[in-house]
Amino acid sequence: KAGVTQTPRYLIKTRGQQVTLSCSPISGHRSVSWYQQTPGQGLQFLFEYFSETQRNKGNFPGRFSGRQFSNSRSEMNVSTLELGDSALYLCASSPLGAGGDTQYFGPGTRLTVL
Amino acid sequence: AQSVTQLDSHVSVSEGTPVLLRCNYSSSYSPSLFWYVQHPNKGLQLLLKYTSAATLVKGINGFEAEFKKSETSFHLTKPSAHMSDAAEYFCVVSDHGSSNTGKLIFGQGTTLQVKP
Repeated sequence: KAGVTQTPRYLIKTRGQQVTLSCSPISGHRSVSWYQQTPGQGLQFLFEYFSETQRNKGNFPGRFSGRQFSNSRSEMNVSTLELGDSALYLCASSPLGAGGDTQYFGPGTRLTVL
Repeated sequence: AQSVTQLDSHVSVSEGTPVLLRCNYSSSYSPSLFWYVQHPNKGLQLLLKYTSAATLVKGINGFEAEFKKSETSFHLTKPSAHMSDAAEYFCVVSDHGSSNTGKLIFGQGTTLQVKP
């Protein structure tokens, strides 16, 4: 099976712009979770989608949003970018998103905000 | 609430010597525990996971971890380090509470340096 794929791999944006990141899960996986990784805060949970519904959300401002399509592919959007949004954004997929499910991670999208 | 503490931010070993990366956890529910590895500029790869079966868990590349409920620990070990083991390692917890679907809690990470 193909692994989790994320596009694009690298992005450079300026403050105030918005950005959309894409994640394609492993075939058959219905849960997609997103994480932000920064040197200062480490890996933090953003949100999780299952069957096109957001089931869980981390402590991030409303500028961070996402959605999931019927084929389980997911997108994450960040509006009004700030310098602090520079990070590696990782998505992970699992069959059901249940506790104990192994989450399989993509290679990430490196976002730089100038 | 769940949390994970990795007791060392940086560990340095010589090639061929044992590796010990320490992790303590806190969870209100019966936890699932994971160790992931991240090589530079790469995503996260699962090394092993514990889900209340055997307390000694064997993973890939010769790594193993022991779940000790009395000590709330889940330390990662390897008998003999290889240069290719140099990477960042994350101890991770998820619980089975219904409000925590899809959510992993990560430790701050331990950077493993392997010296020739």
